[in-house]
Amino acid sequence: VQLVESGGGLVQPGGSLRLSCAASGFTFSSYGMTWVRQAPGKGLEWVSTITSGGGSTYYADSVKGRFIISRDNSKNTLYLQMNSLRGEDTAVYYCAKKVVPSKSWFDPWGQGTRVTVSS
Amino acid sequence: QSVLTQPPSVSGAPGQRVTISCTGSSSNIGAGYDVHWYQQLPGTAPKLLIYGNTNRPSGVPDRFSGSKSGTSASLAISGLQAEDETDYYCQSYDSSLSGWVFGGGTKLTVL
Repeated sequence: VQLVESGGGLVQPGGSLRLSCAASGFTFSSYGMTWVRQAPGKGLEWVSTITSGGGSTYYADSVKGRFIISRDNSKNTLYLQMNSLRGEDTAVYYCAKKVVPSKSWFDPWGQGTRVTVSS
Repeated sequence: QSVLTQPPSVSGAPGQRVTISCTGSSSNIGAGYDVHWYQQLPGTAPKLLIYGNTNRPSGVPDRFSGSKSGTSASLAISGLQAEDETDYYCQSYDSSLSGWVFGGGTKLTVL
């Protein structure tokens, strides 16, 4: 099982960025997926979750209305479209697999991709 | 301010036993949602340590154990080793927030 994030980088405040998470080693379409972020020197913060079929999505209040989670099960890829970015969005973003359909734990995690929001 | 409260740091000597607490409320741990624990080594992604309050994934030493009672949970590490010195996070689900929540993290120092 492997998750590989990409798409991070430096972006100006107010800008947009799309993160991707390529999955392999498991039946991607059978599992919910999650994004979790970690600001520099800080703890983990849940960002968003999507169900296996993509029909339901969930967001932390801090990103609701600005971020969109989506997935392409034909490409085994998870996405996070980040709009109206702010300095406080600066973090390493991890994608992770939900193990069970309900209020699950996350395992495994990708290596993370760094997003820096700065002018 | 994290929804789940962990002590910022704990310490213990090699071979000793330490516990890390994770305190929640009636909308998360107290509501019956499971607690899970992750270990994060410096510069790496979090790794699942305990799931469903008490269960260890394969490969995790039995020195690590979890428990839950009321609105709190605990991670216990016995027979402390130098390699255990890192950060630990608890995680659950919160019905009021309709989302997943993490503790603020605890840094374990092996003296």
